[in-house]
Amino acid sequence: NAGVTQTPKFQVLKTGQSMTLQCAQDMNHNSMYWYRQDPGMGLRLIYYSASEGTTDKGEVPNGYNVSRLNKREFSLRLESAAPSQTSVYFCASSDIGRAVGSQKYGYTFGSGTRLTVV
Amino acid sequence: AQSVTQLGSHVSVSEGALVLLRCNYSSSVPPYLFWYVQYPNQGLQLLLKYTSAATLVKGINGFEAEFKKSETSFHLTKPSAHMSDAAEYFCAVRVYNTDKLIFGTGTRLQVFP
Repeated sequence: NAGVTQTPKFQVLKTGQSMTLQCAQDMNHNSMYWYRQDPGMGLRLIYYSASEGTTDKGEVPNGYNVSRLNKREFSLRLESAAPSQTSVYFCASSDIGRAVGSQKYGYTFGSGTRLTVV
Repeated sequence: AQSVTQLGSHVSVSEGALVLLRCNYSSSVPPYLFWYVQYPNQGLQLLLKYTSAATLVKGINGFEAEFKKSETSFHLTKPSAHMSDAAEYFCAVRVYNTDKLIFGTGTRLQVFP
């Protein structure tokens, strides 16, 4: 039971390089999310996808693109990395179809990708 | 817009002492509130959630939180701290009619022997 799997776990990029962070979940969840975590700022939502084929901007979408490839996979792309994008990135999923009061309602997080842009 | 505010970015307690982590929310509709814990170099794990049922919510690892509408608060408590409780704790609110969560800035808990 893998849950949410993120790759890679660590990455160092040079300014201007591009890369894609991969995320996959095996819980048949409809909703998936990308957050970034920075010291003193908590987690901020970058993009989310309520279902396959749909994506929406979160609090801090600038400089990122996403792709919901299928129900399982949700990737985050940095087209031209900047030092300000140095952060820890978390992917998460949830089941929009379940009642919030359900014992199973909640987010499942991946273990994160630590990205450094130099 | 809904939001949560966590008071105190760092909290230090002695082992065996009461743990109190503060979270206040802002919401024009009845909120769904969550507490998550993050251990070093790991992802976030759900501690407990309030979903408009009982106002006192019990979670994992001996933690509990009480929803107080009059104070717009959802503080996290544990009667007796353990060294293994050292971690960062996040309060979050679900955005109305969506599955998005908005997180607070986090509180780092240190437990001293």
